[in-house]
Amino acid sequence: TQLLEQSPQFLSIQEGENLTVYCNSSSVFSSLQWYRQEPGEGPVLLVTVVTGGEVKKLKRLTFQFGDARKDSSLHITAAQPGDTGLYLCAGDGYGQNFVFGPGTRLSVLP
Amino acid sequence: DAMVIQNPRYQVTQFGKPVTLSCSQTLNHNVMYWYQQKSSQAPKLLFHYYDKDFNNEADTPDNFQSRRPNTSFCFLDIRSPGLGDAAMYLCATSRDRGMTGELFFGEGSRLTVL
Repeated sequence: TQLLEQSPQFLSIQEGENLTVYCNSSSVFSSLQWYRQEPGEGPVLLVTVVTGGEVKKLKRLTFQFGDARKDSSLHITAAQPGDTGLYLCAGDGYGQNFVFGPGTRLSVLP
Repeated sequence: DAMVIQNPRYQVTQFGKPVTLSCSQTLNHNVMYWYQQKSSQAPKLLFHYYDKDFNNEADTPDNFQSRRPNTSFCFLDIRSPGLGDAAMYLCATSRDRGMTGELFFGEGSRLTVL
């Protein structure tokens, strides 16, 4: 069974601070996705990374896929209260179903 | 406009009283999934349909059943809900299996068991 771990589990920061959250596995994934889930809503896709070492930017969010395709990071610059939510990583194990990590719950205080 | 619609958003039932949750999609996607998400945990896949082909996860209890009468609709039936089945149930779709596309989630149905 392929497992994804995420750290930290909880993160509370002040508006304007930078942060990085991590998604790690001992398994290789063909691709990895990051979702954000707000309370009472379903997850919404932020990005898909496919190539080892790939870096993608989405405004203040920077996503990186590890060279070995076993890990990924999400860096947020100058966090805003609107960034508050549960950040989930999900991996595709070469044709198997999506595997989700447990998530990082981010709270950005004004 | 919402593309994956779940009903009801909130469902309260009594211990042992059957419940049906519904999901409809306007995306014409081949794959529909049902996930269970408990507080502060990752979504856990219960089963999925690839077109009409039903795929059950090995650890999904028999208490959970699903139906997909056509491309647009999928139902989750919980035959005898227990207290441990209280959770958010998420329906999702994808054009195909694999991660080259994305999962489109509904807003979820939150089940409370009294």
